[in-house]
Amino acid sequence: DGGITQSPKYLFRKEGQNVTLSCEQNLNHDAMYWYRQDPGQGLRLIYYSQIVNDFQKGDIAEGYSVSREKKESFPLTVTSAQKNPTAFYLCASNLLDGSPLHFGNGTRLTVT
Amino acid sequence: KQEVTQIPAALSVPEGENLVLNCSFTDSAIYNLQWFRQDPGKGLTSLLLIQSSQREQTSGRLNASLDKSSGRSTLYIAASQPGDSATYLCAVRLRDSNSGYALNFGKGTSLLVTP
Repeated sequence: DGGITQSPKYLFRKEGQNVTLSCEQNLNHDAMYWYRQDPGQGLRLIYYSQIVNDFQKGDIAEGYSVSREKKESFPLTVTSAQKNPTAFYLCASNLLDGSPLHFGNGTRLTVT
Repeated sequence: KQEVTQIPAALSVPEGENLVLNCSFTDSAIYNLQWFRQDPGKGLTSLLLIQSSQREQTSGRLNASLDKSSGRSTLYIAASQPGDSATYLCAVRLRDSNSGYALNFGKGTSLLVTP
């Protein structure tokens, strides 16, 4: 079955450490996105990519980095520069024609 | 910037009731609007996508309407069931978005259907 796989489901890190969240899709989608979800807030866009080797900052890109070396993969690195990294991170993808957005099951990151 | 608001923030209804969830947006120049369902600790599941040229979409017991001129969409759930309990999110994509095909999300309506 086609879908979006995010791993790991839960991630714990010490403050000051960088951490990378994985996102893989086998839907042959062109565009991929990273969103952050905090309690009581809507989803906020971190980064997005519409084509391999190209990506753009979203609304809250500071303290994060991404790469898009393959169409299927869009990993997100949460750096030590991110002030409040503890959150639920969601990866999504769709075709470039504005078709429905599909989501992975998320990674819950806790930084202490 | 597009603001998306969902009212109410939470809703509790007895099983069998028909209900309406509301979504409003500030910029009527949208490309499409999508309704999602989110179960606790999970990702989002797409329910319905309405293109800007459409007025409504239906899937089973769900019906979503779109009124661009007033900046509103509603999600109608018929004959609610306990399994419908979840958070429902509305999201819009602007026609001239600077975020590619990304969506702007509301904060969601948390629905509880009691047996």
